[in-house]
Amino acid sequence: DGGITQSPKYLFRKEGQNVTLSCEQNLNHDAMYWYRQDPGQGLRLIYYSQIVNDFQKGDIAEGYSVSREKKESFPLTVTSAQKNPTAFYLCASSIFGTGDTEAFFGQGTRLTVV
Amino acid sequence: QQPVQSPQAVILREGEDAVINCSSSKALYSVHWYRQKHGEAPVFLMILLKGGEQKGHEKISASFNEKKQQSSLYLTASQLSYSGTYFCGTERRIQGAQKLVFGQGTRLTINP
Repeated sequence: DGGITQSPKYLFRKEGQNVTLSCEQNLNHDAMYWYRQDPGQGLRLIYYSQIVNDFQKGDIAEGYSVSREKKESFPLTVTSAQKNPTAFYLCASSIFGTGDTEAFFGQGTRLTVV
Repeated sequence: QQPVQSPQAVILREGEDAVINCSSSKALYSVHWYRQKHGEAPVFLMILLKGGEQKGHEKISASFNEKKQQSSLYLTASQLSYSGTYFCGTERRIQGAQKLVFGQGTRLTINP
C-alpha cells in the first residue's frame, strides 16, 4: 500500500544531542514538508522541498536541518541549537504542480528532551 | 504568514451546526481543510481552488472567497465522529515553490 512513514514513533533526546527523524514516502510525490506541533497548537512549517537536492526554509527553520537526496526520503535533523525541541513532528507529501494537491501525513514522531 | 482561524474552540450537541472560518493576509492559490484526532495525523477533508467553487462531502462543506482571502467550513447536523481539531491550510506559490501553511486550529467538541 502507498503511504508515508515516519520513524521512530517516540524519540528521547538528551540535551546537546542531535537527532534525526525519518520520513519516507512511496507515493511518488515531489513535494515534501516537515511541521512541528506543540500541545494545543497548530502546525508550523519547518522546511519544505519540491524536488531532489532542493529545499526551502519554512517559518521556524532555526535549529533544524534537512536533506533531500532521494525523492522518497526527507529526513529532519533536530540540532542542539534548537532550544526547545520537545514537540510532535509531522511529515507530509503531495503532488506538485497540479493545483488540486491533497497533502498526505505520516503518523508523526513525538520527540522529548530528557 | 499563517492563516487565522476562528473560533478557537466550539462545543456543540449532536445534531447542531457549526461554521469554522479561515482568513489570510496573503493572496491564496488554494485552501485545504483537515481534521485531526488527538495524537493522530491530520486527515484530508477537502481542497478548494481559486474560482469560489463550494465543495462538500456528506454534511461537511466549504466555500472559498479568493477576493476576501477567506474560507469557511460548514458542518451540518454534527455527529459525534466530527469531534477533533480542524485546520485550514493555505497554499502559496513562491518563486516556483509550493508552500503549504496551516492555521492554529479550531477544536470541535460534540456532546451527545
